[in-house]
Amino acid sequence: KAGVTQTPRYLIKTRGQQVTLSCSPISGHRSVSWYQQTPGQGLQFLFEYFSETQRNKGNFPGRFSGRQFSNSRSEMNVSTLELGDSALYLCASSLGQGPRANEQFFGPGTRLTVL
Amino acid sequence: QKEVEQNSGPLSVPEGAIASLNCTYSDRVSQSFFWYRQYSGKSPELIMSIYSNGDKEDGRFTAQLNKASQYVSLLIRDSQPSDSATYLCAGEKISGYALNFGKGTSLLVTP
Repeated sequence: KAGVTQTPRYLIKTRGQQVTLSCSPISGHRSVSWYQQTPGQGLQFLFEYFSETQRNKGNFPGRFSGRQFSNSRSEMNVSTLELGDSALYLCASSLGQGPRANEQFFGPGTRLTVL
Repeated sequence: QKEVEQNSGPLSVPEGAIASLNCTYSDRVSQSFFWYRQYSGKSPELIMSIYSNGDKEDGRFTAQLNKASQYVSLLIRDSQPSDSATYLCAGEKISGYALNFGKGTSLLVTP
């Protein structure tokens, strides 16, 4: 099975701009979760989608949003970028239901740099 | 108390020894736990999941869950230099459908 893919792998933006990141889950996985990873804060949960519905959301401002499509692919958007948004953004896919619902498999990540 | 806590390390063990990594959790985390390995510059890789009290073994790895004391541990037997990485402990949020991650423990296996 192909793994989780994320595009783009690297992004450089300036403050105030917006950005859209994409994630394609493992075939058969219906849940996609997004995380922000920084050296100081570690891995922080942004949100989770299952069958196009957001089921859980972390403590991030409304500038961070996401969506999921009918084929389970997901996108996250960050508007009005701030310097502090520079981070590695990771998506993870899982079955989303059943006994192994939360065994999450990560994509390679998108490295976002905000100048 | 943070939901999931780990000692940041670094934990240094000689090649061939047993590496013991520990994690404690709060009441805001449920009883499903996961260990991930993250090499520098790479994304986390799932290596073990544990759902019930006790031990679970997979090759050189053993995960242990103690619900009464609210801790999870990962033992790596016959440690190899290739095991040098950051190990992340994660627990499922009580609210469901999301994981809380510890900040990770850096492991260094010296030849």
